[in-house]
Amino acid sequence: AQTVTQSQPEMSVQEAETVTLSCTYDTSESDYYLFWYKQPPSRQMILVIRQEAYKQQNATENRFSVNFQKAAKSFSLKISDSQLGDAAMYFCALSALVKEYGNKLVFGAGTILRVKS
Amino acid sequence: SQTIHQWPATLVQPVGSPLSLECTVEGTSNPNLYWYRQAAGRGLQLLFYSVGIGQISSEVPQNLSASRPQDRQFILSSKKLLLSDSGFYLCAWSARQILNTEAFFGQGTRLTVV
Repeated sequence: AQTVTQSQPEMSVQEAETVTLSCTYDTSESDYYLFWYKQPPSRQMILVIRQEAYKQQNATENRFSVNFQKAAKSFSLKISDSQLGDAAMYFCALSALVKEYGNKLVFGAGTILRVKS
Repeated sequence: SQTIHQWPATLVQPVGSPLSLECTVEGTSNPNLYWYRQAAGRGLQLLFYSVGIGQISSEVPQNLSASRPQDRQFILSSKKLLLSDSGFYLCAWSARQILNTEAFFGQGTRLTVV
């Protein structure tokens, strides 16, 4: 079974500061990917960043980077130079290839990020 | 380009009434299809996912069912709605057998059971 846990229901950050959102996961599959999605008030889901489980190098997309600790099954998201537009709910997600059933995409409970000006 | 359509956007239904939410994908073939539910201020709960016509995997025992009558059509149904079925329902698709592909989501349906 695949599970994703986000233990921070809400986080706040001052504009231009850095914030880290936590995520842990569990899967019995050896082939999987990890994602962070952003859901602004519009409810549209937006991909922020993705990480291949077999790559040790942490993914980076502009101000967004991850800290992937495979042994610990941890996948945190760091947002640098926070902007007001970063305010949203952030979801950690796991995509694993389940035999006979294909890709199974599971999300965590989400973390609401508030950005203070 | 690929698009995903989900309707209706908003629905108010009485307890005990049936439900049918429809999702269709254009511009791709053999997609993985997903139904998620998001309670107010909460995470995305995977309800069903499908890798092909007639192939449905149910994640949570509940009052809902899903069907995939065509390759790019995914339907969420209920025979009798409960108050607890209220929530925001999202349909999504991703490319089959490609793990690193992002999922693309519909606009969602806000269901209120009264």
